[in-house]
Amino acid sequence: ILNVEQSPQSLHVQEGDSTNFTCSFPSSNFYALHWYRWETAKSPEALFVMTLNGDEKKKGRISATLNTKEGYSYLYIKGSQPEDSATYLCALNTGANSKLTFGKGITLSVRP
Amino acid sequence: NAGVTQTPKFQVLKTGQSMTLQCAQDMNHEYMSWYRQDPGMGLRLIHYSVGAGITDQGEVPNGYNVSRSTTEDFPLRLLSAAPSQTSVYFCASSYSTSGHEETQYFGPGTRLLVL
Repeated sequence: ILNVEQSPQSLHVQEGDSTNFTCSFPSSNFYALHWYRWETAKSPEALFVMTLNGDEKKKGRISATLNTKEGYSYLYIKGSQPEDSATYLCALNTGANSKLTFGKGITLSVRP
Repeated sequence: NAGVTQTPKFQVLKTGQSMTLQCAQDMNHEYMSWYRQDPGMGLRLIHYSVGAGITDQGEVPNGYNVSRSTTEDFPLRLLSAAPSQTSVYFCASSYSTSGHEETQYFGPGTRLLVL
């Protein structure tokens, strides 16, 4: 069983604060790293899929970086808004038939 | 496209009962999978399929069966429900099993309570 770790488990920030999360994973057998955003009472929705060491992807105020050699990815949210409140999941794909191993998620709460 | 659909949305079972959770996708996706989500545990893979007629076990397969007779449908069967199977179940699909950049699309979930 792969160990995909996310930290912190939860985060409470004020509107306008910038924040970042960490996803750690075994660097051997790396194929792709996925980030998902999961709002309460909804389904997880894809944010990014990252495959190359040094990758950096951006979508609006959210960006992510990837270091496959040391086995971690960072997710950054610039100027958090209340609508960013959600659980953020990372998932590792080792290439075996597209199977994803998920971390436990980081729950972000943004206070107005 | 309806995307990934799941039925029912909510179900209550008694211990020992059997039932089937339905999952369907209309995107012609090769890969389909079932996850369960429990507090503090994240999403755990139950079973997955890389195409019609092919299924395999995930991380927590015990107590569940699956089949994939068509590309569109991937039902999950609980043969004899136990309270430990109380959970929220998500079905997901992606276009290709060979493209590692393929995003998985999730259904709305089925909330199951086993008494």
